[in-house]
Amino acid sequence: DSGVTQTPKHLITATGQRVTLRCSPRSGDLSVYWYQQSLDQGLQFLIQYYNGEERAKGNILERFSAQQFPDLHSELNLSSLELGDSALYFCASSVTSGRVADTQYFGPGTRLTVL
Amino acid sequence: AQTVTQSQPEMSVQEAETVTLSCTYDTSESNYYLFWYKQPPSRQMILVIRQEAYKQQNATENRFSVNFQKAAKSFSLKISDSQLGDTAMYFCAFMSGAGSYQLTFGKGTKLSVIP
Repeated sequence: DSGVTQTPKHLITATGQRVTLRCSPRSGDLSVYWYQQSLDQGLQFLIQYYNGEERAKGNILERFSAQQFPDLHSELNLSSLELGDSALYFCASSVTSGRVADTQYFGPGTRLTVL
Repeated sequence: AQTVTQSQPEMSVQEAETVTLSCTYDTSESNYYLFWYKQPPSRQMILVIRQEAYKQQNATENRFSVNFQKAAKSFSLKISDSQLGDTAMYFCAFMSGAGSYQLTFGKGTKLSVIP
């Protein structure tokens, strides 16, 4: 158990819908990272938040957005869902102050299926 | 942009034997970090080992060790005394030491340990 929690474990929805994935980082970790794992694209970095502020963006679609709340939990919002958005979405956390590259610990993931 | 290449999509090894997984990467940076993550059938991403580029000594964690060749941009993982529980996908990952600390992953190697 990494100490990172993600809910829900599984999510099945229809095209055009909107969903919210939730992540709670390890105690003491200030950074949250979101990754997408799909069969065709592999593991891709989406976005990073550090202590409530967006720190870096990767290959994140405009239909996707994220935020980190004062209690440091994070949510990834996916809207206007398409079949191709079906994937495993991971949240990872690290202490990362911005000056040191700390190891990222991953949550169990949320399996999103878009029908 | 950094790239990570894992040239062995699948490998197998007999229980108790030793196996080496290959990884090469491309970067113009001198300060970076390399990781191996394991993803068993449960889909959880588990950190196996971490290597700082500025360290000449190869990292070791119990039965897992790396062969880090900085000039050749090579970072292989050796698993000794393979166990059935080592059956998993193994991902090599790169993290820049400057700016964003996102992970860039290879496509993975599926390792099967045969009893």
